[in-house]
Amino acid sequence: DAMVIQNPRYQVTQFGKPVTLSCSQTLNHNVMYWYQQKSSQAPKLLFHYYDKDFNNEADTPDNFQSRRPNTSFCFLDIRSPGLGDAAMYLCATSSPTWYSYEQYFGPGTRLTVT
Amino acid sequence: EDKVVQSPLSLVVHEGDTVTLNCSYEVTNFRSLLWYKQEKKAPTFLFMLTSSGIEKKSGRLSSILDKKELFSILNITATQTGDSAIYLCAVQFTGNQFYFGTGTSLTVIP
Repeated sequence: DAMVIQNPRYQVTQFGKPVTLSCSQTLNHNVMYWYQQKSSQAPKLLFHYYDKDFNNEADTPDNFQSRRPNTSFCFLDIRSPGLGDAAMYLCATSSPTWYSYEQYFGPGTRLTVT
Repeated sequence: EDKVVQSPLSLVVHEGDTVTLNCSYEVTNFRSLLWYKQEKKAPTFLFMLTSSGIEKKSGRLSSILDKKELFSILNITATQTGDSAIYLCAVQFTGNQFYFGTGTSLTVIP
């Protein structure tokens, strides 16, 4: 089935050690999003790609970077994770039309920082 | 400042009860409002609303948008334990940008 896949599902990293989370999709959607969701909080948009056009949210820390080498894949790089970066990271895709901006979410990667 | 506010924050009901969840927003360049259900995994899409006064319905769930008063409600009738989840409201503005509310946690007791 077409879907949004995130790997790994659980990631443990050490304080300050770079980590990369990956997202792939078989939906051929042109928009891909990365959200950070901390416990009991709403998902917070970090950035999104519209095709190759990168859009960063104003309050996304510089510590967070993203790459989208092709339509199917998108990566979230955390250059120097801090304890406050421990969260669920959600990838989502959409293919906006005039009638629908529905987002399809992956299962998420839960990041633990020790 | 743009924002999305959901109420109540949490709700506990008995099976068979009807619940109404609220989402109010203050967003410039509003485009659509979406409802999601989140259990122990990523959110799953329920409804997208763009026009006032047109009810969207799916089984026991229904939702409506009031663009004049800037709010939406999500109704669930004859609740079941499987309805227990966090219900998220998201408002889309200026293209692909979304704001999410903090969610309403619904617990349905048998």
